[in-house]
Amino acid sequence: AQKITQTQPGMFVQEKEAVTLDCTYDTSDPSYGLFWYKQPSSGEMIFLIYQGSYDQQNATEGRYSLNFQKARKSANLVISASQLGDSAMYFCAMREGPSGAGSYQLTFGKGTKLSVIP
Amino acid sequence: NAGVTQTPKFQVLKTGQSMTLQCAQDMNHEYMSWYRQDPGMGLRLIHYSVGAGITDQGEVPNGYNVSRSTTEDFPLRLLSAAPSQTSVYFCASSTAATYEQYFGPGTRLTVT
Repeated sequence: AQKITQTQPGMFVQEKEAVTLDCTYDTSDPSYGLFWYKQPSSGEMIFLIYQGSYDQQNATEGRYSLNFQKARKSANLVISASQLGDSAMYFCAMREGPSGAGSYQLTFGKGTKLSVIP
Repeated sequence: NAGVTQTPKFQVLKTGQSMTLQCAQDMNHEYMSWYRQDPGMGLRLIHYSVGAGITDQGEVPNGYNVSRSTTEDFPLRLLSAAPSQTSVYFCASSTAATYEQYFGPGTRLTVT
């Protein structure tokens, strides 16, 4: 079974609108972390946001927020007020095990290509 | 502070050739890793290291060797390149003090 599932290969959003990118995960470890990375056409991996499994509040970083629904095992990325520069691939990733315990490996989903339309 | 650097940026190899992809970080991170990215796939972990002298296999280790003699450097060796190793390779580093992994700019490798 896939540990990280991103069901939307591609998405379109109008500039200035909000968009939600879906991510579901599968783990039996009670301690884990969820990440979103952005990969523009230039190829670099840019860290966006992190949510720990024990965090009570949904993570937010500027225009990015993570809609964490633990019981449903989903960690959707919400981008508010989309900009043309948001056009990129977006990857959801998971780390299993508590942070700092040596479990630094990330498992990635296949990604969602977001295109922002002017 | 350069972060994570990778060389070369691009490389073309013939089947059977060997080469080493270089990765270095100047943040004194204990954890380093190598991922490969293929079209339509996310990144997959090849090998990782939790400190100098300690390495372990990830999800797709076959055909690759690593060593970690210093905290700063984590080279990835292809002993006998195969077309299936055509990919983009990313090195990353991290520390227990933070959850973020810092990625290098990537190396695009083509094996013909």
